[in-house]
Amino acid sequence: AQSVTQLGSHVSVSEGALVLLRCNYSSSVPPYLFWYVQYPNQGLQLLLKYTTGATLVKGINGFEAEFKKSETSFHLTKPSAHMSDAAEYFCAVSRNSGNTPLVFGKGTRLSVIA
Amino acid sequence: GAVVSQHPSRVICKSGTSVKIECRSLDFQATTMFWYRQFPKQSLMLMATSNEGSKATYEQGVEKDKFLINHASLTLSTLTVTSAHPEDSSFYICSASAGQGFTEAFFGQGTRLTVV
Repeated sequence: AQSVTQLGSHVSVSEGALVLLRCNYSSSVPPYLFWYVQYPNQGLQLLLKYTTGATLVKGINGFEAEFKKSETSFHLTKPSAHMSDAAEYFCAVSRNSGNTPLVFGKGTRLSVIA
Repeated sequence: GAVVSQHPSRVICKSGTSVKIECRSLDFQATTMFWYRQFPKQSLMLMATSNEGSKATYEQGVEKDKFLINHASLTLSTLTVTSAHPEDSSFYICSASAGQGFTEAFFGQGTRLTVV
């Protein structure tokens, strides 16, 4: 079975500050890992994903995440927060195929303070 | 990129009626589609997995007679909420996969269902 734990249901940062959203996973097989962003009353937008290869993954809007197998982590970072980054962020894991469903974490709401 | 269109984006229906939600893959053939449900301020939970031409596989606790899923073609899956009740009000979202060789499934925009 697979599971995802997102530490912190709500993270608040100042505009221009570092964003760090934490995600730990559990998987009995090599995982695929994803970060999605969801704005109010909207669907999911893929920020980035790790499948194989380079463990540091760069995504859209300046976000990046590093797959650390030894720590079973896939934390999301952005050097400088922007007001438009305020949203709900979901970490998700799947088995190593796009043909399998995602298991989502509970989500982290990011607030950005001016 | 791969596009998945979900329709309608919002629907309000009366208690006791049925509502159909469509999920279409516009530029690829979706061998597998997934349906998720999201309660307010909560995460997404998998409801069922459907493969084209086969019966859907439902997750434990999901009523298959209430949530009818049809995947009759490689580009269309439908979710019908039958005899809807206020507790069925939720955000429903589909994703479509093009098969084993792909690394991700692609999400539709979601449907906000409100049952009054």
